[in-house]
Amino acid sequence: EAQVTQNPRYLITVTGKKLTVTCSQNMNHEYMSWYRQDPGLGLRQIYYSMNVEVTDKGDVPEGYKVSRKEKRNFPLILESPSPNQTSLYFCASSSTWVGSPEAFFGQGTRLTVV
Amino acid sequence: DQQVKQNSPSLSVQEGRISILNCDYTNSMFDYFLWYKKYPAEGPTFLISISSIKDKNEDGRFTVFLNKSAKHLSLHIVPSQPGDSAVYFCAASDIQGAQKLVFGQGTRLTINP
Repeated sequence: EAQVTQNPRYLITVTGKKLTVTCSQNMNHEYMSWYRQDPGLGLRQIYYSMNVEVTDKGDVPEGYKVSRKEKRNFPLILESPSPNQTSLYFCASSSTWVGSPEAFFGQGTRLTVV
Repeated sequence: DQQVKQNSPSLSVQEGRISILNCDYTNSMFDYFLWYKKYPAEGPTFLISISSIKDKNEDGRFTVFLNKSAKHLSLHIVPSQPGDSAVYFCAASDIQGAQKLVFGQGTRLTINP
């Protein structure tokens, strides 16, 4: 079954404690992205990757890092989380470009930073 | 700077009637538009898309209309069914340039029996 898997689904952490949200896809997609969803703001892109070792900033990259060492994995790293990073996060992958109809989203990770 | 706007946070429609969800954009470089549907505790799923070279695209009960001069698109669902109750996101992209989607704020559609 084609899917994008994020872990964990829920996470509560304290300010400043480094964390990683993993994302893995099994469709051999080149493109992967991270988004955050906040009330009244919709989904905003954090980072995207067009292929292995190729990453670029989205609209709200501050406070986040990503890496793309393998095609299937695209982890999101928060080196020093702050309360304003409390949000719902989605990973997405697609075969050609991010806006293609084939873009698949993970189920989301709800992060709370206290 | 919200480049894609969905000005109606919520919409309530009776089952069997037409649902019309609206979306406006400001960036004239956008040339590909999509609608995503999201149920609670799930990720968004692709619903329908339209290229800027078209003004209408239809897929079953779902039709998207694009008015480039007004920078406006709409999603029509006919007839509306209870399973259509979800949050709908409009998204846009410039496929000639940045490889990313820009989303609207979303509209929560509720279909009443």
